[in-house]
Amino acid sequence: DAGITQSPRHKVTETGTPVTLRCHQTENHRYMYWYRQDPGHGLRLIHYSYGVKDTDKGEVSDGYSVSRSKTEDFLLTLESATSSQTSVYFCAIIRDSLFYEQYFGPGTRLTVT
Amino acid sequence: AQTVTQSQPEMSVQEAETVTLSCTYDTSESNYYLFWYKQPPSRQMILVIRQEAYKQQNATENRFSVNFQKAAKSFSLKISDSQLGDTAMYFCAFMKFRTGTASKLTFGTGTRLQVTL
Repeated sequence: DAGITQSPRHKVTETGTPVTLRCHQTENHRYMYWYRQDPGHGLRLIHYSYGVKDTDKGEVSDGYSVSRSKTEDFLLTLESATSSQTSVYFCAIIRDSLFYEQYFGPGTRLTVT
Repeated sequence: AQTVTQSQPEMSVQEAETVTLSCTYDTSESNYYLFWYKQPPSRQMILVIRQEAYKQQNATENRFSVNFQKAAKSFSLKISDSQLGDTAMYFCAFMKFRTGTASKLTFGTGTRLQVTL
């Protein structure tokens, strides 16, 4: 157990509404990541963070923003949700002592209607 | 950019038998890691095994082992003595490594493995 929680675990929202997903870790690791999982695509990186207020884009960052004001929390925001953002979202961390292994949260299933 | 290819969308194996899942990758990097992740119906992503590119010896974790062919850019996963609990989606993943930078994973599209009685 890597001490990662995600909230909410499930959410249904309407097109055009803002949505924020939260990733929380209890072990003060520096690196955190947001991925989305879609059939036929595996997992794809949206954004990542390498410290408080330090974030960068991944390969599918359009339509998403992130924030990290505290070490333990990494927020993913969909400013105006679209149906193409219906997906399962995973948060991941790298343990500082095992810098090459990512550990994942339980995922959030988001449906945009 | 790196790419990871899993050419077997679905596979099936009988309990107690051995199965091999294929993965190929494309990269110009010399320092990298390869992983297999398991995703059971619970949706949790579970790290199964890791291989460092600089190591010639194939990694082994209990019933799971890999065949790492660096020149061929191939990284297959062998599951021995398959169990019903091995039923899951399996993802191959690549991570290039550079000191001081965030290590990002590139995933394949997955292979769905069904273990049958």
